[in-house]
Amino acid sequence: AQSVSQHNHHVILSEAASLELGCNYSYGGTVNLFWYVQYPGQHLQLLLKYFSGDPLVKGIKGFEAEFIKSKFSFNLRKPSVQWSDTAEYFCAVNAPGSARQLTFGSGTQLTVLP
Amino acid sequence: NAGVTQTPKFRVLKTGQSMTLLCAQDMNHEYMYWYRQDPGMGLRLIHYSVGEGTTAKGEVPDGYNVSRLKKQNFLLGLESAAPSQTSVYFCASSYSRSLSTEAFFGQGTRLTVV
Repeated sequence: AQSVSQHNHHVILSEAASLELGCNYSYGGTVNLFWYVQYPGQHLQLLLKYFSGDPLVKGIKGFEAEFIKSKFSFNLRKPSVQWSDTAEYFCAVNAPGSARQLTFGSGTQLTVLP
Repeated sequence: NAGVTQTPKFRVLKTGQSMTLLCAQDMNHEYMYWYRQDPGMGLRLIHYSVGEGTTAKGEVPDGYNVSRLKKQNFLLGLESAAPSQTSVYFCASSYSRSLSTEAFFGQGTRLTVV
């Protein structure tokens, strides 16, 4: 079974700082990778996803992620964070199976200080 | 287009009480899921359904039952609530068998069992 690891549980940054959140997965075959964001009191929203092609994926709100197959990683990046980026970020993987259910990492809480 | 709607949004139960959480989606999605979200553990799959009339166990099914009598609805039941079931519950749906399909989430139900 696949698993997802997010090693940063809580990240605190000042506005305009650069962000990189780590995500590693364990599955040897073809995978699809997702980053979801959960703003305070809201539901999960899709930030970006990778399923094939260019390993550098661009998402909404200036976020991007790079899929490195050899490292089983899908790290999320943003060059300059804003206070409004304060949220919890979840990495997820979707691997072949009958239900296509997502396996989530434990999440990273990002706090951006104004 | 409401997307995925969960009711209720908040609930407090006494140990041993029962309740049903309702998830409704208006996107004609085949796949539906129930997750629970606990601090530091991300989202864990409770049960899922790949179509009307079908259900299957996820990662943490004990103490829960589900039903999918209509394609648009997915019910999660707690027959005898326990404090360990205090959590935030998210319903999700997806429309395609494709691995690249994103899941759409409801706004969550915060359940407290005292």
